[in-house]
Amino acid sequence: EAGVAQSPRYKIIEKRQSVAFWCNPISGHATLYWYQQILGQGPKLLIQFQNNGVVDDSQLPKDRFSAERLKGVDSTLKIQPAKLEDSAVYLCASSRPRGGQETQYFGPGTRLLVL
Amino acid sequence: RKEVEQDPGPFNVPEGATVAFNCTYSNSASQSFFWYRQDCRKEPKLLMSVYSSGNEDGRFTAQLNRASQYISLLIRDSKLSDSATYLCVVNDGFQKLVFGTGTRLLVSP
Repeated sequence: EAGVAQSPRYKIIEKRQSVAFWCNPISGHATLYWYQQILGQGPKLLIQFQNNGVVDDSQLPKDRFSAERLKGVDSTLKIQPAKLEDSAVYLCASSRPRGGQETQYFGPGTRLLVL
Repeated sequence: RKEVEQDPGPFNVPEGATVAFNCTYSNSASQSFFWYRQDCRKEPKLLMSVYSSGNEDGRFTAQLNRASQYISLLIRDSKLSDSATYLCVVNDGFQKLVFGTGTRLLVSP
């Protein structure tokens, strides 16, 4: 079974530029998550999709971050404009809903450095 | 107070040692609990779920104390390959997982 795919793996941009990340979840997984992991911290949920609907985006900085999952499969996360503090690893995960007991499978992440 | 608190370590232990990690959580409505493992510059991977009755998987034993809102992970006979960061993860009572900052383990020869 193919895992969660993410691209690009690495990205370096200057502050105030825009950047987009792409994620393709495991086939059949209806739930998709985007996390931000800052160095030395655990992953923090940014947004959760169930199919193409948003379940939770309470921690997404909506003034600069946006995400979509238009066809309920792959997803993009965009930052516009980027700030220095956005430097982090952006992890995508997917799961098959099991009433809270679902295992989340993570992609390899995109490492973003904002200069 | 953080939702999930862990000692960041690092824990430096020799091969063959037994090491224990602890974690506390603040949301009494949490229903499911997990330990994830994260290797350096890699993504987190599920190590094991944690049940009220306690559960064991080989050299790894996880315990949950709901009254104290406390989770533990015990690793026996540590291997070099156990060196990683161990993330305590708690469901928030709905579908969201909340991750601790992780405890770093270094096993030396």
